[in-house]
Amino acid sequence: QKEVEQNSGPLSVPEGAIASLNCTYSDRVSQSFFWYRQYSGKSPELIMSIYSNGDKEDGRFTAQLNKASQYVSLLIRDSQPSDSATYLCAVGNQGGKLIFGQGTELSVKP
Amino acid sequence: GAVVSQHPSWVICKSGTSVKIECRSLDFQATTMFWYRQFPKQSLMLMATSNEGSKATYEQGVEKDKFLINHASLTLSTLTVTSAHPEDSSFYICSARSGTVSYNEQFFGPGTRLTVL
Repeated sequence: QKEVEQNSGPLSVPEGAIASLNCTYSDRVSQSFFWYRQYSGKSPELIMSIYSNGDKEDGRFTAQLNKASQYVSLLIRDSQPSDSATYLCAVGNQGGKLIFGQGTELSVKP
Repeated sequence: GAVVSQHPSWVICKSGTSVKIECRSLDFQATTMFWYRQFPKQSLMLMATSNEGSKATYEQGVEKDKFLINHASLTLSTLTVTSAHPEDSSFYICSARSGTVSYNEQFFGPGTRLTVL
């Protein structure tokens, strides 16, 4: 079992819709969770961090964490073509490193 | 805030030469920096962790004599790819973590694309 798992996609949504990205992790003691956006040919950009169970909202983005289910998700409301990118889920381990999922490719169609 | 730069942004070199990549934290002091490598259509692979003033810790399977890492100050880490070969061609990305930032938050540099001919 991979430490951090994501569906590779591609996930295709129409412009204006809600995009839902999911991630599961295996290490029960993980305490920090991140979503990064990576455009093709560019480096990852941090868009959300979450540390406590529940929802965290920032503009059009909402991160959801459920530690009991070892599940973290990212919702993007009112999706725009500019949101088309690969979204990387990352989980912080106790050694201070980030463990990345394979990434989910999101395509927002005009 | 939390800006990380890398130089160069791309480099082409001949097989057998060495290439140095710099990673700088511009507006914060980075007690820890990380070096990643990313091949096309793959996720980031952590190569090593460097702490200011101490030796880098390499991930399993990464040759420490080939990928030399120096973290001489709180704002600068360098990665030197020695005797580069075509299979070393990749996208190298550094990230930095401030000692004051809790919970593992890392900020990434723009990356360096290395092509070895």
